[in-house]
Amino acid sequence: SQQGEEDPQALSIQEGENATMNCSYKTSINNLQWYRQNSGRGLVHLILIRSNEREKHSGRLRVTLDTSKKSSSLLITASRAADTASYFCATDTGRRALTFGSGTRLQVQP
Amino acid sequence: EAGVAQSPRYKIIEKRQSVAFWCNPISGHATLYWYQQILGQGPKLLIQFQNNGVVDDSQLPKDRFSAERLKGVDSTLKIQPAKLEDSAVYLCASSLAPKGRTEDQPQHFGDGTRLSIL
Repeated sequence: SQQGEEDPQALSIQEGENATMNCSYKTSINNLQWYRQNSGRGLVHLILIRSNEREKHSGRLRVTLDTSKKSSSLLITASRAADTASYFCATDTGRRALTFGSGTRLQVQP
Repeated sequence: EAGVAQSPRYKIIEKRQSVAFWCNPISGHATLYWYQQILGQGPKLLIQFQNNGVVDDSQLPKDRFSAERLKGVDSTLKIQPAKLEDSAVYLCASSLAPKGRTEDQPQHFGDGTRLSIL
């Protein structure tokens, strides 16, 4: 079964708007990672947040982690058409390799 | 640095045939992963290697799937015989693993092999 589940499954916004994706997971983690996948390509690592961190920024990305609620969110500010992709959260429990969620498909309309 | 290389990019076979995929990880990356990604889903781990040893193959259907990593560098994944439900993208990833630890190491993915079973 999937450890992480993203919400929403699909999101369509206009260029310049912010996009927020959420991830919920079931067991305790060492860290949580977000990846992007463009159509027909492999996954690209975006950002990693450790279990003792609450918020992390990288360029237009902001990730939050709430270990008490077992949830994380990814915010993309000022979205661009090039941000159109699927976004996956992945949890690292330290016991095995990453477990990926089912992803959020983001469409940014120019 | 060169990324993770995979070949072929596409493969079409009939059910019950065999197929093999090849992966060359980023130079110096000790850990190598094979994932299966079914359309509309996230990647599911099939097998994880640390150098040339298997760390986790608990989700590998061993009656039909096999994988090896010769000399701790390149890896091949084989399916024999293929079933219709094996239609998917097979992704290879690698990561640094200093002193055998995989925590906090992002994974670097190849573009995958898209397998279609007729």
